[in-house]
Amino acid sequence: SQTIHQWPATLVQPVGSPLSLECTVEGTSNPNLYWYRQAAGRGLQLLFYSVGIGQISSEVPQNLSASRPQDRQFILSSKKLLLSDSGFYLCAWSDRDKDTGELFFGEGSRLTVL
Amino acid sequence: GQNIDQPTEMTATEGAIVQINCTYQTSGFNGLFWYQQHAGEAPTFLSYNVLDGLEEKGRFSSFLSRSKGYSYLLLKELQMKDSASYLCAAMDSNYQLIWGAGTKLIIKP
Repeated sequence: SQTIHQWPATLVQPVGSPLSLECTVEGTSNPNLYWYRQAAGRGLQLLFYSVGIGQISSEVPQNLSASRPQDRQFILSSKKLLLSDSGFYLCAWSDRDKDTGELFFGEGSRLTVL
Repeated sequence: GQNIDQPTEMTATEGAIVQINCTYQTSGFNGLFWYQQHAGEAPTFLSYNVLDGLEEKGRFSSFLSRSKGYSYLLLKELQMKDSASYLCAAMDSNYQLIWGAGTKLIIKP
């Protein structure tokens, strides 16, 4: 069976510090991978998605970046965090061979920037 | 622009039935999803509709009307564990999901 895991689960960081959130998927190959951010009272905001190694599409210009060094690994990074980067970050994957596009989410990472 | 509208919050009684509505406006349409999200947790998939009509899955059913840009999620025999946020998302012509802000459902005994 397929599993998705992201870490860390919670993070408290000062403004200006770097960020690295990691996500791995097991039990499937060549998945589509996504990073979302969820702010209170707002819908999920797609930050990045990837259809393959080294292929990253950015949906929102910001101080965040993403990388996919391996087929089932997706990393969200920042060199200098802003207060506005606080939120709940969700990694997700989908099976490109299925028409439904159903997303499977990781456990989420709650980031607080102080 | 693309937009999803759903109520912010609803309250219902344990054992009752509740209907959560969702209207959408997207560039093209490739299906409508409902996800459940408990507080502090990740969303989990509930249903997918791409054709008009009602899809039933146990206590949960989902309805779609493409001509009206409308969907609803129907929850029967409500249980306390159904207290959660319910997210509506429509897939556009580029197969990208457009998400609503979610409906927080509060179940009272």
